[in-house]
Amino acid sequence: KQEVTQIPAALSVPEGENLVLNCSFTDSAIYNLQWFRQDPGKGLTSLLLIQSSQREQTSGRLNASLDKSSGRSTLYIAASQPGDSATYLCAGNAGGTSYGKLTFGQGTILTVHP
Amino acid sequence: NAGVTQTPKFRVLKTGQSMTLLCAQDMNHEYMYWYRQDPGMGLRLIHYSVGEGTTAKGEVPDGYNVSRLKKQNFLLGLESAAPSQTSVYFCASSYADGPGHYGYTFGSGTRLTVV
Repeated sequence: KQEVTQIPAALSVPEGENLVLNCSFTDSAIYNLQWFRQDPGKGLTSLLLIQSSQREQTSGRLNASLDKSSGRSTLYIAASQPGDSATYLCAGNAGGTSYGKLTFGQGTILTVHP
Repeated sequence: NAGVTQTPKFRVLKTGQSMTLLCAQDMNHEYMYWYRQDPGMGLRLIHYSVGEGTTAKGEVPDGYNVSRLKKQNFLLGLESAAPSQTSVYFCASSYADGPGHYGYTFGSGTRLTVV
């Protein structure tokens, strides 16, 4: 059974800092790894998807990496802004006949203060 | 706007009462899911559907039933609510965009409190 863990549970940083959120998973057969953002009272928004054949994906100030051999993924946020404050969740998909079912980590609550 | 709509947004139930949560999507997505989110535990899959008329159990299905009579709707039912079912419930839909690649849309959630 796939288990996904995120560290740290919460992070508070001053504006402008570069930061790293960590995600670890137990089953290296993971097909892809996705990072989501969750704002209070809102649903989840997909940020980046990394396929098993890829090592990293970039979108603007966000960069996500995937290392299946070590069971780790990281989300790097450059030059953080107060608008980045949210909960960040990583989730794995087993592929095959999983029908898109996701196994989520517990999330990291990020606060960026001015 | 196109997306996933959940109703109601908030609800308080007494122990033993029943209710149905409705999820509606207008994107013609084949797959739909119900998750629950509890503090410190992330989202856990309750039930899912791979098409109209189909349902399957997820990780935490006990105490819940689902139906998908129409492709655009996925209903989650609680027959006899328990305090342990106090949670935030999220519905999501997805489409397959290549092998193992799915595009997801999540609803904004239903906050349920069972007293």
